[in-house]
Amino acid sequence: DAGVIQSPRHEVTEMGQEVTLRCKPISGHDYLFWYRQTMMRGLELLIYFNNNVPIDDSGMPEDRFSAKMPNASFSTLKIQPSEPRDSAVYFCASSLPSGSQYFGPGTRLTVL
Amino acid sequence: QKEVEQDPGPLSVPEGAIVSLNCTYSNSAFQYFMWYRQYSRKGPELLMYTYSSGNKEDGRFTAQVDKSSKYISLFIRDSQPSDSATYLCAMTETNDYKLSFGAGTTVTVRA
Repeated sequence: DAGVIQSPRHEVTEMGQEVTLRCKPISGHDYLFWYRQTMMRGLELLIYFNNNVPIDDSGMPEDRFSAKMPNASFSTLKIQPSEPRDSAVYFCASSLPSGSQYFGPGTRLTVL
Repeated sequence: QKEVEQDPGPLSVPEGAIVSLNCTYSNSAFQYFMWYRQYSRKGPELLMYTYSSGNKEDGRFTAQVDKSSKYISLFIRDSQPSDSATYLCAMTETNDYKLSFGAGTTVTVRA
């Protein structure tokens, strides 16, 4: 079975532009997580979903960030407008209930 | 003070040595403890998963949890150059899906 799939793998954009990151969780996994990883702050949970419903978005840094999960096999994380401080690696992970989280390869975002 | 503390290293050891990694935490409600391995420019992958206190062994890897001291460890025996990676500890409470991660320790095993 394929693991968590993320796209794009790399994104370079200019400040003020809209950025959309995509994630396909492992089939059958009920939980989906979005993380951000930086050297300064490490790995931080932004938001997670259960059965496509957002459960906890307390880690979302600002209103510029939004996440959706329209169906069980797809989620997006959108940043609008993007800022240089948003530059980071964004990971998506999925899991079964009470299961271990499996991470995708990440999207490396650079905002100029 | 962070909820999970982990020395970022870096740690450099010769091939065949024992690697010792550890984390301390402040939340006594943590019950599930994990170690993830992250290779450069890759996503974290689950290495070990332990519930409550005790030891767990898997091949060359041993995870230990001491809840009384709020201290967890990971030991890698007979280390190999392929073990060179960043190791992150993570933990969570019962019925909580939010993982709290340590900063990660970067390990280099020299051939």
